[in-house]
Amino acid sequence: ILNVEQSPQSLHVQEGDSTNFTCSFPSSNFYALHWYRWETAKSPEALFVMTLNGDEKKKGRISATLNTKEGYSYLYIKGSQPEDSATYLCALSLSNFGNEKLTFGTGTRLTIIP
Amino acid sequence: DGGITQSPKYLFRKEGQNVTLSCEQNLNHDAMYWYRQDPGQGLRLIYYSQIVNDFQKGDIAEGYSVSREKKESFPLTVTSAQKNPTAFYLCASSMTSGIKETQYFGPGTRLLVL
Repeated sequence: ILNVEQSPQSLHVQEGDSTNFTCSFPSSNFYALHWYRWETAKSPEALFVMTLNGDEKKKGRISATLNTKEGYSYLYIKGSQPEDSATYLCALSLSNFGNEKLTFGTGTRLTIIP
Repeated sequence: DGGITQSPKYLFRKEGQNVTLSCEQNLNHDAMYWYRQDPGQGLRLIYYSQIVNDFQKGDIAEGYSVSREKKESFPLTVTSAQKNPTAFYLCASSMTSGIKETQYFGPGTRLLVL
């Protein structure tokens, strides 16, 4: 069973502060990692897909890095705003040998305090 | 607007009943997925379909059935054999079935057993 761990489970951040959280996974046979944002009462929305060790992706104030050798990805949010409040999910696939399945972590629930 | 619709938003099932959750997409995507979310757990894959008239079991397929007769539609039936059906169900689709492909999610259906 593939274990995808996200930490922390939840956090509260003051508006304007920057924050980051982690997705950890087994480093062997890594293939792709996805980050999704899931706002309350909405559908999960894709942020990034990352495949290469050392990948860095950026979308506005949100960025992500990937270290496949040590098995982790960080998601960073710079200058948090109330609209950043959401659950952030990472999802992983370890191989592409006919396996189109993603395994999701339990998410990090981020609350921005105005 | 292009997107994924799921209906109903809430569904109540009596013991011993089969119920069917609807998922429709107008994104012209080949692949579609059904996930289940339970408190404290990541999204878990129930079934997925890479193309019309084809589908594969995910990690927790027991007690569920699906069909894919049309590209736009991927209904999920929760049968009486599913011992613990109360959960939040999410449908998703992607352009193709490759695991680098972004998955687009519907708004979800919450199923409650009476």
